[in-house]
Amino acid sequence: DGGITQSPKYLFRKEGQNVTLSCEQNLNHDAMYWYRQDPGQGLRLIYYSQIVNDFQKGDIAEGYSVSREKKESFPLTVTSAQKNPTAFYLCASSLRGTGNTIYFGEGSWLTVV
Amino acid sequence: RKEVEQDPGPFNVPEGATVAFNCTYSNSASQSFFWYRQDCRKEPKLLMSVYSSGNEDGRFTAQLNRASQYISLLIRDSKLSDSATYLCVVLRNSNSGYALNFGKGTSLLVTP
Repeated sequence: DGGITQSPKYLFRKEGQNVTLSCEQNLNHDAMYWYRQDPGQGLRLIYYSQIVNDFQKGDIAEGYSVSREKKESFPLTVTSAQKNPTAFYLCASSLRGTGNTIYFGEGSWLTVV
Repeated sequence: RKEVEQDPGPFNVPEGATVAFNCTYSNSASQSFFWYRQDCRKEPKLLMSVYSSGNEDGRFTAQLNRASQYISLLIRDSKLSDSATYLCVVLRNSNSGYALNFGKGTSLLVTP
């Protein structure tokens, strides 16, 4: 079945460690996105990519990094510079420029202790 | 002013009731609008797009008022299964490409 796969679903890390969240899609979508969701905050855009080998900062990119070496993959690294990394992370993809086809992965819960 | 604003609720309504959610957006150049539904600890899923002429999908009706920069969602004959958070979403575009701006969501609880 086509879709977006995020892994791991649950992740615990010690403070100061970098962690990479995986996002893979087989929908042949050009655009991919990373959002963060905190309680009562809604979804906030971290990074997005409209095409392979290109990506743009979203509203809260500080402390995060991404790469887009393949169309199917858009991994997110949460670095030790991110002050409050504990959150629900959502990866999404869409046909380029058409928002109504955006699909989300099931999300990754990151807890930093 | 936040780009997308919603009343967070919660809205507690009895089964069978009609409930309406409102949303305002700040960027007058926004072109596309959507309502997403998010269940607790799950990913958001598209409920419906919002068109200028208004559109209906079963018990759900969405409307857009561009002059007031206002979007609404009406749910008729509420079901227990409608309990969720409803996210107002606006497509923003820039020189860098497209991305969706999400409101914080309106929480709905339908009770027996």
